[in-house]
Amino acid sequence: GENVEQHPSTLSVQEGDSAVIKCTYSDSASNYFPWYKQELGKGPQLIIDIRSNVGEKKDQRIAVTLNKTAKHFSLHITETQPEDSAVYFCAATPPGTGRRALTFGSGTRLQVQP
Amino acid sequence: DTGVSQNPRHKITKRGQNVTFRCDPISEHNRLYWYRQTLGQGPEFLTYFQNEAQLEKSRLLSDRFSAERPKGSFSTLEIQRTEQGDSAMYLCASSLAGTSGQETQYFGPGTRLLVL
Repeated sequence: GENVEQHPSTLSVQEGDSAVIKCTYSDSASNYFPWYKQELGKGPQLIIDIRSNVGEKKDQRIAVTLNKTAKHFSLHITETQPEDSAVYFCAATPPGTGRRALTFGSGTRLQVQP
Repeated sequence: DTGVSQNPRHKITKRGQNVTFRCDPISEHNRLYWYRQTLGQGPEFLTYFQNEAQLEKSRLLSDRFSAERPKGSFSTLEIQRTEQGDSAMYLCASSLAGTSGQETQYFGPGTRLLVL
């Protein structure tokens, strides 16, 4: 099955700096890669996703890049703000009508220092 | 609020007791998923439904766990004879099946279970 590794496990940045979180996946057939943000006591909230037919996607201060050859994808947050502090999870899922499970990484705790 | 809702939000039970959680998906979403999340880890897939049919189950879903979605709307997850290792956050997500591959899964706030 799919295996997703995520680094780093914790990340501390100064407000205004950029943050980068990286994930690698094992199943070359995986074709959908969402990123979720989870705040304390809440469920994960989708912040951006990318499909395997594109290499990069951007939404305001958030961008995701995908390297299918190397089987890794990254989340980039620019101009970080204290409200960006949370745990971020990457996920991957392979294609197939019977397979809908997301496989998550172990999470990155991002702390933005004001 | 039109998001995914879960009840109860917290549950404390004694080992050996049965518990049941409920999930109400986003209206008109035909797919519903259950995940389990332990402290410091990402969510782990348990099972998913398309309408009322349970189409995929994880090895994590032991025979003490059962999930239903009788009318293709809300779903229940029951854990029988709870064990301390069942203590976790149980997350529900829903999505609307599309034709272009994987669709976005929207998560609820979760039910936190503590087994004493």
